[in-house]
Formats: sequence, structure tokens, C-alpha cells
Amino acid sequence: KAGVTQTPRYLIKTRGQQVTLSCSPISGHRSVSWYQQTPGQGLQFLFEYFSETQRNKGNFPGRFSGRQFSNSRSEMNVSTLELGDSALYLCASSPTQGQGSTEAFFGQGTRLTVV
Amino acid sequence: AQTVTQSQPEMSVQEAETVTLSCTYDTSENNYYLFWYKQPPSRQMILVIRQEAYKQQNATENRFSVNFQKAAKSFSLKISDSQLGDTAMYFCAFMKNNNDMRFGAGTRLTVKP
Repeated sequence: KAGVTQTPRYLIKTRGQQVTLSCSPISGHRSVSWYQQTPGQGLQFLFEYFSETQRNKGNFPGRFSGRQFSNSRSEMNVSTLELGDSALYLCASSPTQGQGSTEAFFGQGTRLTVV
Repeated sequence: AQTVTQSQPEMSVQEAETVTLSCTYDTSENNYYLFWYKQPPSRQMILVIRQEAYKQQNATENRFSVNFQKAAKSFSLKISDSQLGDTAMYFCAFMKNNNDMRFGAGTRLTVKP
């Protein structure tokens, strides 16, 4: 089975621009979660999607949004980029049948640099 | 809100020796899951071991085992027979039954030859 695939691996954007990151979960997984990892704040939960619906949301401004498609692939969008958005963005998929799961499989992340 | 604390920013161990990484958490929930993830320089987060809170028996995966103390809200990871490939950041994580995973700040482990 292929693992979680995140594209692109690296991105450089300018302040004020917007960016879209993509995540393809493991085949059969229906839950996709997004995390932001920075040296200062560590790993922080952004949101989770299941069956095309956002189920949970972390404490991030509305500039951070996402969606999930019928094939479970997910995209995350950040608008009006700020320097502080520079981070590693990790996606994780879970083999959940409904609420809750006992394991998350992570992708290799997208390294976003805002200049 | 749930918080996860890893009080050891960095640790080192000699190859073949044993090391224990500490983790405490705060929650009012009774049912939850705890995890240890490893993040090597490649950035890939790899699940090391997981523990369901309702299980009293400590989880074990080969050289990795945990000491889960539910009343004390403590979840430490023991690595036996440390190998050079164990060098990585280790994150303790807490999750309720909703896929919202909360991570500690991490412990950077270096295994020395």
C-alpha cells in the first residue's frame, strides 16, 4: 500500500500570496488531518476532514482552510500569507469508520517558506 | 484543553544502552489514546507505540515499551538496546476519540556510538 503523499515537498511564496497544499491519504482511509510544525510552536492541529466534512478544527485564523474530495484526497489553503506561516505542514490519514481512530499515518510534509 | 508536556528537550544515550523519555499530560477525559512518534531528519513522522487508556497493560513493541500511569497522567517511553537509527525527535501525543491529536514539544534523542 502506498503511504500518505503530500505535494509539493517544498514551496516558496511571497507575503500576501495564497498557497494550496495537497494530501493523498492511504487507500481506504477516510479521515485526513492537517498539522503545522514550527520550531517555536511545535506541532499544532489545524483541522480534520472525514467524508468531505470538516469534523474538528484547531485554533487557527480563518486564512487557513481546507477541503476533502470524494476520493478522500484533501487540500489545505492558506490565504494572505504571513512570514509566520513558514512551517512544515504535515498531513495524516486514519483508517476510521466513524468518530475516532487509534492511529494516524503521516506524510513527509510540505515545507512552506514565506519571504 | 488537553496539554502534553515533555520535560526533556534533549537526551543522549550510548549505543546498546537503555534510555527513558518522559511525558505527562493533562486531561479530564477517561477514554483516550496516547502515542509516541519518532521524527528522524527525513521529517517523516513514524508511529513508535500506542496505548489505549482503558488498557492497564503497558504496550510493548520490540525494543520499545511504555510505562503508563493513568492516575499520575504519565506516559514514558523506554528504548532498550539503543541503536544509531533511533536518533530522532520523539513526540508524545494525546488523542481523544475525535482524531484531534495534541503533541508535546518533543525530545531530541541522540544515540552515540
